[in-house]
Amino acid sequence: QKEVEQDPGPLSVPEGAIVSLNCTYSNSAFQYFMWYRQYSRKGPELLMYTYSSGNKEDGRFTAQVDKSSKYISLFIRDSQPSDSATYLCAMNGPGGGADGLTFGKGTHLIIQP
Amino acid sequence: DGGITQSPKYLFRKEGQNVTLSCEQNLNHDAMYWYRQDPGQGLRLIYYSQIVNDFQKGDIAEGYSVSREKKESFPLTVTSAQKNPTAFYLCASSITSTPSYEQYFGPGTRLTVT
Repeated sequence: QKEVEQDPGPLSVPEGAIVSLNCTYSNSAFQYFMWYRQYSRKGPELLMYTYSSGNKEDGRFTAQVDKSSKYISLFIRDSQPSDSATYLCAMNGPGGGADGLTFGKGTHLIIQP
Repeated sequence: DGGITQSPKYLFRKEGQNVTLSCEQNLNHDAMYWYRQDPGQGLRLIYYSQIVNDFQKGDIAEGYSVSREKKESFPLTVTSAQKNPTAFYLCASSITSTPSYEQYFGPGTRLTVT
């Protein structure tokens, strides 16, 4: 069983829609959860991170963690064509993060103008 | 501006040659990482280093080597022993004084070996 599962997509939605991106994980030791955005042929860019369960909002982005279900989500409100990218979830590793993050494979998001 | 630089952006090599990818950061981060990204595979950890002169193997270290002689620099050598070296290589760094260990990435180097 893979540690982090993420639907690769592509997920195609019209401009202005609310987007929901999700990851599930198996390791209950994960405590910090991150979302990265990666444009084609670029390095990933950290969008936001959350600790344990709960919500965190930053502008049009909301990250949600449900540790009891081992499920995390990223919501994008009022989606724009510039949001078209691959979104990677990441979690701190079994060593607490010192030995690197565990990444999902990414969801390719397309926002149609 | 603080950040991570990787050079070159594109690199072409013949099979059998060793090649070194550069990674420099001016964020004053203690930890640095190398990942490999292949289509449909996600990011896979090659090597990481928490402090100068110390580094550990990641999940796919075979055929790669690193050094960490300076805090700012973490070069990766792809040796001829790496069976499938063509990939997108990403360097990252993080601070270690907070428990979140969020990582910041460079722009990547695309290596093509023929």
